[in-house]
Amino acid sequence: DAKTTQPTSMDCAEGRAANLPCNHSTISGNEYVYWYRQIHSQGPQYIIHGLKNNETNEMASLIITEDRKSSTLILPHATLRDTAVYYCIVSGNQFYFGTGTSLTVIP
Amino acid sequence: DSGVTQTPKHLITATGQRVTLRCSPRSGDLSVYWYQQSLDQGLQFLIQYYNGEERAKGNILERFSAQQFPDLHSELNLSSLELGDSALYFCASSAESGAATNEKLFFGSGTQLSVL
Repeated sequence: DAKTTQPTSMDCAEGRAANLPCNHSTISGNEYVYWYRQIHSQGPQYIIHGLKNNETNEMASLIITEDRKSSTLILPHATLRDTAVYYCIVSGNQFYFGTGTSLTVIP
Repeated sequence: DSGVTQTPKHLITATGQRVTLRCSPRSGDLSVYWYQQSLDQGLQFLIQYYNGEERAKGNILERFSAQQFPDLHSELNLSSLELGDSALYFCASSAESGAATNEKLFFGSGTQLSVL
């Protein structure tokens, strides 16, 4: 499975866009990029995933670079409830989570 | 609500004991995954079952075992418990086998295990 690298922590002002980066330079051609988040000690929650094209849903947007070596999760208007740990995962046969990015949304 | 049910929510036991954690996947999901989350670590993948068969194994200790039953619920058995086994244990389910790479995991709310 491809490894991912994420910043340990980030802050974002409430109402602003939160841009969370992820590097996955060893990604294979058939591996998807997934984003999950974990609020406090709850079970992780699926956010979005993609293969090559940019994706958008009601929660977020996913921007994947053309070479697929990195991606950015965008929360367009961050709220206090978006404070969580965000995990970027590249899936092969298993889903390996790293330590993620701890996002703090500041009032 | 993810549709994945884990019981019990909390479990307190002593070192050396054995416990069983239970997971009921979402209706129709064939795959069950188990994860361990300790305070100082991220989510550690333990094991995956697909339709009753073990599909993948991660960092699971020999003292731990799991199985998936014909009705697709799964149990994680932890034996000879040590203080370091105290953690949140999550179960997740998905529709597919994991061999495909386009599937979502749905997580339960976890079982908090405290070994005293």
